[in-house]
Amino acid sequence: SQKIEQNSEALNIQEGKTATLTCNYTNYSPAYLQWYRQDPGRGPVFLLLIRENEKEKRKERLKVTFDTTLKQSLFHITASQPADSATYLCALARGGSQGNLIFGKGTKLSVKP
Amino acid sequence: NAGVMQNPRHLVRRRGQEARLRCSPMKGHSHVYWYRQLPEEGLKFMVYLQKENIIDESGMPKERFSAEFPKEGPSILRIQQVVRGDSAAYFCASSPWVSGSDHEQYFGPGTRLTVT
Repeated sequence: SQKIEQNSEALNIQEGKTATLTCNYTNYSPAYLQWYRQDPGRGPVFLLLIRENEKEKRKERLKVTFDTTLKQSLFHITASQPADSATYLCALARGGSQGNLIFGKGTKLSVKP
Repeated sequence: NAGVMQNPRHLVRRRGQEARLRCSPMKGHSHVYWYRQLPEEGLKFMVYLQKENIIDESGMPKERFSAEFPKEGPSILRIQQVVRGDSAAYFCASSPWVSGSDHEQYFGPGTRLTVT
């Protein structure tokens, strides 16, 4: 069956360092992959979308890579700040339906000052 | 432009009662999605609707759960005869109709359902 895994439940880093989060998937060939941020008690907020024919995408301090051979996406936050502390979710779209997203369980990032 | 609105934010029901969760999509959005998030679990897709149509309900339990998105008014997720296992956060998301592959979704704050 289709699976998406974020292989770190929690990641603790020091302010100013680069945070790298990993998303792996199996039995699936998604057209695109998305990353969301979720704060406690709130709904997810969309951050970035990367398509299967794109290797890398950037937005301010955020960078996402997509390797369809390894079936993996990496999400980087450079010059991390305590305000970046949150849970980060990756999501894939099932084929044939634009709405049917599969989410990973998320990685909880803590940035210490 | 107001975001996705959900109400109530918190809902407590006794076993056997009905729960009605409401979602108003962002202005101009005609696609609504419902997800459920259990403690320590990821978001699970339930149903995808357009106005007056259910497009994909592959994530909906076969019994007790139903959803609608009428021509006028909010989308409603209805859970009949609730059980303790229905306790979760229910999130609604919306997106505009786009012909390309930009399918990001905009989420509401969620409704936290507690069944006692």
